[in-house]
Amino acid sequence: DAGITQSPRHKVTETGTPVTLRCHQTENHRYMYWYRQDPGHGLRLIHYSYGVKDTDKGEVSDGYSVSRSKTEDFLLTLESATSSQTSVYFCAISDPGQAIYEQYFGPGTRLTVT
Amino acid sequence: KQEVTQIPAALSVPEGENLVLNCSFTDSAIYNLQWFRQDPGKGLTSLLLIQSSQREQTSGRLNASLDKSSGRSTLYIAASQPGDSATYLCAEYGQNFVFGPGTRLSVLP
Repeated sequence: DAGITQSPRHKVTETGTPVTLRCHQTENHRYMYWYRQDPGHGLRLIHYSYGVKDTDKGEVSDGYSVSRSKTEDFLLTLESATSSQTSVYFCAISDPGQAIYEQYFGPGTRLTVT
Repeated sequence: KQEVTQIPAALSVPEGENLVLNCSFTDSAIYNLQWFRQDPGKGLTSLLLIQSSQREQTSGRLNASLDKSSGRSTLYIAASQPGDSATYLCAEYGQNFVFGPGTRLSVLP
């Protein structure tokens, strides 16, 4: 298994509070991604990073921000959590250096906003 | 907009059957296609990746094919086992990764 960890694994928070999810990798892969998975919508890309301090928006980026100050860490922040952000969040990595772009996923974080 | 669909949405088969899962995509400039397995409450596990220049990839009882001209990929599972029960997702990589909704497979003992 690829060395990807996510923290916390479970979190319950109240509407309006800030929340930060962390993804940590030990593979030295250049690309990192944040997805959310919801019934009926499948996996949707929130933000991605193609290098330290280089990030871009995905399909569902509103209400989310990201930061990547080190190769191994990619943070996802919900500035003011809403009930619509209740979801399972997955981090993924890939490495374009092999020109294959195979993605590997972390175990996920289950977030509940009450 | 890139779209990926998977048929069927759910499938139940007796143990030992060979089966085919289907994935269709609209992106003509696909770079690669990847098949994943997801167990309930878990993350996605990569099964097979087919680059756009390839026609198929094999790993054990799994074989994945890619036909760019028709926008289709299939995942063939031979001699299915109850441990194969999971949701199978395909994802195409063009400009970005786009995932299908998945096929939920149940293999009955």
